[in-house]
Amino acid sequence: DAKTTQPPSMDCAEGRAANLPCNHSTISGNEYVYWYRQIHSQGPQYIIHGLKNNETNEMASLIITEDRKSSTLILPHATLRDTAVYYCIVRVVTTDSWGKLQFGAGTQVVVTP
Amino acid sequence: DGGITQSPKYLFRKEGQNVTLSCEQNLNHDAMYWYRQDPGQGLRLIYYSQIVNDFQKGDIAEGYSVSREKKESFPLTVTSAQKNPTAFYLCASSIHSGAHTIYFGEGSWLTVV
Repeated sequence: DAKTTQPPSMDCAEGRAANLPCNHSTISGNEYVYWYRQIHSQGPQYIIHGLKNNETNEMASLIITEDRKSSTLILPHATLRDTAVYYCIVRVVTTDSWGKLQFGAGTQVVVTP
Repeated sequence: DGGITQSPKYLFRKEGQNVTLSCEQNLNHDAMYWYRQDPGQGLRLIYYSQIVNDFQKGDIAEGYSVSREKKESFPLTVTSAQKNPTAFYLCASSIHSGAHTIYFGEGSWLTVV
């Protein structure tokens, strides 16, 4: 699986949009981009995933560049409860790829009042 | 409610003792996983199981053992051979190992005293 690069930390004001970048310049054509987040001392929570097209759900939007070498997770209206570590993962969908996957250090997002 | 239950949440172990962490899921998922997380670090895979009565070593399996006798249960034993077992342990599952979404339990904190 391709490796990802994320900034170690970022701050965001409550009510503003949070834009979290992720670089995956070695991504291959059959690898998906996934985002998870982890609130302190809890299990990670699925946010969104995509292959080529931009995706939106009730939690966030995912913007993938045309060359697929980078992506941005957008939290449209950040709240204090969005303070968490956000993980960007790229993965090819095979029967054992969750088993071989490693989560990196992620981006610590702090939402301030 | 459907989900993944890990127990205990907090566990203290004396050096030289084995300890077993419980993981139960009622999601009818075929695949289950154990990850380890050290403070400020990402997740690392210990073991995973794609189906009942089958499991595979992850990247850091030394000093750990698992069993998968029932679909809903995937206990992890931390043996005395694990040199640095103090960590946060996360159990996860997915409907099958190629699924897009993996669900996590709330985690178990293990401290060696």
